[in-house]
Amino acid sequence: DVKVTQSSRYLVKRTGEKVFLECVQDMDHENMFWYRQDPGLGLRLIYFSYDVKMKEKGDIPEGYSVSREKKERFSLILESASTNQTSMYLCASSSTGYNQPQHFGDGTRLSIL
Amino acid sequence: AQSVTQLDSQVPVFEEAPVELRCNYSSSVSVYLFWYVQYPNQGLQLLLKYLSGSTLVKSINGFEAEFNKSQTSFHLRKPSVHISDTAEYFCAVAPTSGSRLTFGEGTQLTVNP
Repeated sequence: DVKVTQSSRYLVKRTGEKVFLECVQDMDHENMFWYRQDPGLGLRLIYFSYDVKMKEKGDIPEGYSVSREKKERFSLILESASTNQTSMYLCASSSTGYNQPQHFGDGTRLSIL
Repeated sequence: AQSVTQLDSQVPVFEEAPVELRCNYSSSVSVYLFWYVQYPNQGLQLLLKYLSGSTLVKSINGFEAEFNKSQTSFHLRKPSVHISDTAEYFCAVAPTSGSRLTFGEGTQLTVNP
């Protein structure tokens, strides 16, 4: 079965820290995505990647960066965490093809104090 | 660019009642349409999708959605809901020439006994 695994379900960090969120998929998917989910705003795309070492900005990339050194792993980095980055973060992956559905992890609830 | 509007943020219903969750979209290009469901403390799961062909699409658990091109809508319906259908539902669109999903704000469906 399809599996997208996010390394932490809950994470608490302090303002100014560098934060890493990890995501691993076992489906050999080319595409991987990072979203943040906030009440009343739905899911907003932060970054996505369609191949190893490739990345593209989504709708809200400010304050974030990403890394994809291996096909199965996509990391989201908060360079200097701020309280307005407290949110639920969801990782997803999909295979190549414009009509392919995205498969989601269970999310990481990140709190920045 | 695409945008999605889910017209109801919360929909409370009684068990065995019918329900409709409304979704309108805007796009200057052809799109694929999706409904995702998020159960408590989980990631999103694909519920159903419209790619082409018949405008009425169905899921395995009794939901259906109809693509209406003239009204740019993709409303989700179920004739009789169960307690277990309580979840947040997200409508999403993707251009037929790309992999990026644009999500609506979400509708919280609460089924009461």
